Amino acid sequence: QKEVEQNSGPLSVPEGAIASLNCTYSDRGSQSFFWYRQYSGKSPELIMFIYSNGDKEDGRFTAQLNKASQYVSLLIRDSQPSDSATYLCAVNPDRGSTLGRLYFGRGTQLTVWP
Amino acid sequence: NAGVTQTPKFQVLKTGQSMTLQCAQDMNHNSMYWYRQDPGMGLRLIYYSASEGTTDKGEVPNGYNVSRLNKREFSLRLESAAPSQTSVYFCAIQRDRDYGYTFGSGTRLTVV
Repeated sequence: QKEVEQNSGPLSVPEGAIASLNCTYSDRGSQSFFWYRQYSGKSPELIMFIYSNGDKEDGRFTAQLNKASQYVSLLIRDSQPSDSATYLCAVNPDRGSTLGRLYFGRGTQLTVWP
Repeated sequence: NAGVTQTPKFQVLKTGQSMTLQCAQDMNHNSMYWYRQDPGMGLRLIYYSASEGTTDKGEVPNGYNVSRLNKREFSLRLESAAPSQTSVYFCAIQRDRDYGYTFGSGTRLTVV
């Protein structure tokens, strides 16, 4: 069974703070990891992906991966009210094929207050 | 959601009725997926198609069927709708296994 666990939150941070979102996964052989942002009533949109252990930065977003601990996180620096959304962690456990099924966590709701 | 078009956006069905949710893409991607999203449950994979002419079951396929009519279109059919199928349905496409999904705008389905 391919489980992806996230803290459901809600997580509330003041504007300008760092928001830290965490995710663990059960399939040790998982190869690729994704973070999606979903505004209320909208579809998920991809904001970050990471394949290798360590950090990956893109603007205010940093994804961190530790395969030994089966842990992936997303840091949002200088949080803005527009970052208020649900953040979904997704894991691709497929290997040895061209298939890329994603298994999603239940999401963490983030609120950034002015 | 340029590239992935889902229809309809909203639908109300009575228990036992049937309907087909349509998904079409213009990005020429091989892989297409159907998910449902329920409060507190996250996104769960219903069916997927790795390429034209192939379909496979995901985590929650019971009560659904799919058709990959051609490379562009992937439809999801509910033969006899049940209240438990009340959900938001998302179609997604994928360039290849190392890329994330592009989602359609979703279909909000209510079965009464």
